[in-house]
Amino acid sequence: AQKITQTQPGMFVQEKEAVTLDCTYDTSDQSYGLFWYKQPSSGEMIFLIYQGSYDEQNATEGRYSLNFQKARKSANLVISASQLGDSAMYFCAMRDAPWRNTPLVFGKGTRLSVIA
Amino acid sequence: DVKVTQSSRYLVKRTGEKVFLECVQDMDHENMFWYRQDPGLGLRLIYFSYDVKMKEKGDIPEGYSVSREKKERFSLILESASTNQTSMYLCATNPRGGNQPQHFGDGTRLSIL
Repeated sequence: AQKITQTQPGMFVQEKEAVTLDCTYDTSDQSYGLFWYKQPSSGEMIFLIYQGSYDEQNATEGRYSLNFQKARKSANLVISASQLGDSAMYFCAMRDAPWRNTPLVFGKGTRLSVIA
Repeated sequence: DVKVTQSSRYLVKRTGEKVFLECVQDMDHENMFWYRQDPGLGLRLIYFSYDVKMKEKGDIPEGYSVSREKKERFSLILESASTNQTSMYLCATNPRGGNQPQHFGDGTRLSIL
């Protein structure tokens, strides 16, 4: 069964600094997709970035990048130049066997607080 | 943009009541999902549906049922609400395709008294 582990319940970062949020996963499938979501205090889930297991390049979207280390089964989110608006919960999620159209499985999340 | 609309942001009900949470999407997506979110537990899948009149149990279906009579609408039903069902409920949708992200509604914060 697939599983997502986020080991950091909470993190603090200084404004304008970079921060890495950890995510490790476990799956027996060779084909899978990894997703990161942001949830501000208002509650909505915002999709940030996607990485496919066969993608050779690490995914990037603006200030977000994904440090994908397949052999270590890790997919850490890197946020560069943190802003106060980045304070939120962040969830890592995975879908294995995409051809089976399976639901996402989520980790327990990391609460990021950006300090001025 | 994908629009996923949940009928209520906040809802207060009493123990034993039958509760309906409605979710409507406007993008003709095949897949729809219901999650509940609790502090320290992340998002847990309750039920999902790949098509009209189809439903699949997720990880925590006990005490819940669902209905999908039309493609755009997916309802979550608490047959007899209990206090341990107080939670944030999130509806999500995505088209078929392994690399498609799920799009979420704004959530319903449900309190059972």
